Amino acid sequence: AQSVTQPDARVTVSEGASLQLRCKYSYFGTPYLFWYVQYPRQGLQLLLKYYPGDPVVQGVNGFEAEFSKSNSSFHLRKASVHWSDWAVYFCAVSDTEGADRLTFGKGTQLIIQP
Amino acid sequence: EAAVTQSPRSKVAVTGGKVTLSCHQTNNHDYMYWYRQDTGHGLRLIHYSYVADSTEKGDIPDGYKASRPSQENFSLILELASLSQTAVYFCASGTGDTEVFFGKGTRLTVV
Repeated sequence: AQSVTQPDARVTVSEGASLQLRCKYSYFGTPYLFWYVQYPRQGLQLLLKYYPGDPVVQGVNGFEAEFSKSNSSFHLRKASVHWSDWAVYFCAVSDTEGADRLTFGKGTQLIIQP
Repeated sequence: EAAVTQSPRSKVAVTGGKVTLSCHQTNNHDYMYWYRQDTGHGLRLIHYSYVADSTEKGDIPDGYKASRPSQENFSLILELASLSQTAVYFCASGTGDTEVFFGKGTRLTVV
């Protein structure tokens, strides 16, 4: 069965600094990968998704992620964080080609220091 | 914009009681899901459905039932609520192709 590991439960970054949130996946075959963000007391919103092709994918609000098959990773990056990025970020893999029956990591809480 | 509406948004239930969580989507999506979120954990799939009048078990179905009476509506039923079912529950919908859209969640507290 597929799985997703987010090794960092919490990441603290200064406002304006760069960000990387780590995600490792386990999947037999070609994975379809997602990053979602959850703001306080809200549902999950899609940041970006990876479908087989260009390994670097662009998302909303300046986020991007890079897929690496050799490292089984799909790390999320942002060049300069803003206080409004304070949220929980989830990495997920689809059970099928596309977006279906997502398996999520435990999430990473991003804290922004002024 | 895709819309998934959950009701109620929060609920306190008594141990052993019956709880029904409702979900309504206006996205015209065939696929619907119920997930559970616990503190320090990601979302885990409870039940899902690909068509009205048919539901499937997800990864953690024990203690839950699901009902899909129409394309738009998908309910999660706890026949005998237990303390361990205290969590936040998310409903979601999708086409299976591009994206899964989530509701805002229902915070369930079983006492």
